Parts: sequence; structure tokens; C-alpha cells
Amino acid sequence: DTEVTQTPKHLVMGMTNKKSLKCEQHMGHRAMYWYKQKAKKPPELMFVYSYEKLSINESVPSRFSPECPNSSLLNLHLHALQPEDSALYLCASSQVLAGGPGGGQYFGPGTRLLVL
Amino acid sequence: GQQLNQSPQSMFIQEGEDVSMNCTSSSIFNTWLWYKQDPGEGPVLLIALYKAGELTSNGRLTAQFGITRKDSFLNISASIPSDVGIYFCAGSTPGSSNTGKLIFGQGTTLQVKP
Repeated sequence: DTEVTQTPKHLVMGMTNKKSLKCEQHMGHRAMYWYKQKAKKPPELMFVYSYEKLSINESVPSRFSPECPNSSLLNLHLHALQPEDSALYLCASSQVLAGGPGGGQYFGPGTRLLVL
Repeated sequence: GQQLNQSPQSMFIQEGEDVSMNCTSSSIFNTWLWYKQDPGEGPVLLIALYKAGELTSNGRLTAQFGITRKDSFLNISASIPSDVGIYFCAGSTPGSSNTGKLIFGQGTTLQVKP
């Protein structure tokens, strides 16, 4: 089973709203990631969690707040977003951090976010 | 920073034809990954390569980790309409090992004419 699930699939929010994206994997992977993807572009890394600890924040604005409640779950809390934040938000997981065997990242289907 | 040059940018082929795409870099990589992404979906991992010279197949797909560690190619044999999508290469360098950071190519858009 190489499934990463994400909810919701679609989300429309106003600039004053607070919402959360959720990601779950049951593959026993110890690394989890959030990416942002614009149309026809490659995914852009936002955050990396390793063993439930934040290891990389790619200078993401504070209106995006990640949380890893346990080894299977990853959340992304959204607050006061801007229209330019509209994108596909992807969660991924890997057995270990990228760089060797087991580092292949498995992506979820994404949440399509529209900020009005 | 490191960049991956992926080519071609797009391809429009006839069903049944073979397809080849590649990624090159001026930096050495220690992992190469190939993904396919359908519209509105997340990328799907097709093939993972971890050793220079490694040649791996997955059905009609074959990918190789270049011996110089600076390139990789993906071949698709006997293309079918469901091969349509965007193909991304991605890799990690020795400098980014154990950080989780992947460098992505810009993607190859494949269209197949029945």
C-alpha cells in the first residue's frame, strides 16, 4: 500500500478565514512533506518533517503553519491567505529522508485551494 | 543552486510509438526519481534509482541512472493514450542527502494521438 490521503480535495476560502489541510499515511514512513504546486510547474517544497519534528522550513510565510500530531498525520493550518496562495497543495511521505534507498517520496492527490 | 534540465519540454506522438525523455545536471546526484502527474492529481512515483548505472524497468517504462551521476533518462515503449500527462524527474544531491530536499525538473508534457 503506497497511499497518502489528503482532505479536503477542494477548498475555497476568503482572506480572513482559518482553515486546515490534512494528510495521512499508514506506510510507517518517518518523513513527511508539504509542497505547493502551480499549474504546469514542478512542486515547490514548503516543509519537511522527520520523526515528527520540523526539519526544514523553506522560508514559508507564517500564514502557513504546519503541525505533525503523530507519525501518520500531517496538518497545514492556513490563516489570512492571499489570492496568490491559490494552488495545489501536495503532501508526500517517504520511508526515510531523500538521498538513498527508501527516500522515494509518495505524493497524495492534493488539495486544490482557491483564495478569494 | 542546483538545477535539473529536463527535455523535451513537450512531446506529441502517435499511439504505439516509443518515447524518451531525460534530465541532466552539472551536479552529481545520488538519487533519481521519475514521476507522472495527471491533471488535478498528485505525482505518482514511477521508478526510483539509487545507484550509478542502475537500469530499472516498470512495465513499459525503463529508466537509467547515468554512469556520470549527472543524468537520467526515462523510456516509454509502445505508448498508449493513458500515458498522457506530465512527467517529472527529481533527484537529490550528496549535499542535500538526509534533508529530504528534492530538485525537480521542469517537466515533460506528453500527448498521445490515438
